[in-house]
Amino acid sequence: GENVEQHPSTLSVQEGDSAVIKCTYSDSASNYFPWYKQELGKRPQLIIDIRSNVGEKKDQRIAVTLNKTAKHFSLHITETQPEDSAVYFCAAFGGATNKLIFGTGTLLAVQP
Amino acid sequence: DTGVSQDPRHKITKRGQNVTFRCDPISEHNRLYWYRQTLGQGPEFLTYFQNEAQLEKSRLLSDRFSAERPKGSFSTLEIQRTEQGDSAMYLCASSLLGYGVRSSGANVLTFGAGSRLTVL
Repeated sequence: GENVEQHPSTLSVQEGDSAVIKCTYSDSASNYFPWYKQELGKRPQLIIDIRSNVGEKKDQRIAVTLNKTAKHFSLHITETQPEDSAVYFCAAFGGATNKLIFGTGTLLAVQP
Repeated sequence: DTGVSQDPRHKITKRGQNVTFRCDPISEHNRLYWYRQTLGQGPEFLTYFQNEAQLEKSRLLSDRFSAERPKGSFSTLEIQRTEQGDSAMYLCASSLLGYGVRSSGANVLTFGAGSRLTVL
């Protein structure tokens, strides 16, 4: 079945710096790749997603890139702010399954 | 309705007791998912429904777990004879079925706030 690996597990950056989180997936038929942000004690919230027919998508300070050949995708956050501090999960959907498989999460800490 | 609702938000129970969680999805969504999340981990898939049909169950879902979605709307997840290892956050999510990569909005999962289970 699908397996999603996520790195790094923790990431500390200074306010204003950029943060990059990387994920790889195993099922080449996967076609939808969302990113969720989860604050402590809260539900996962979708922040950006990308489908397999595009290579990059941007929404203000957040961007996601997808490399289907290498089966990896990345989240880029620019001009980080303290309120960006949270756990970020990548996920992959589709292919032989009809469910989201999540990565193990990245704890992002933005130091003021 | 504006989102996915879950009830109860918190449940503390003694080992061996049965518990039931309810999920009310976004009304027009035809798919409903249950996930389990423990501290420091990503959500793990348990099962999903398309309308009232349960289409897949994870191997994580032992025979003590049962889920239903009787009329294709709300769903319940019951855990019988709870064990301390069942302590976790149980998350429900719903989505609209879509086909192909160009189905904008399709397969976008919206999560509820979760039901936190503590088994003493």
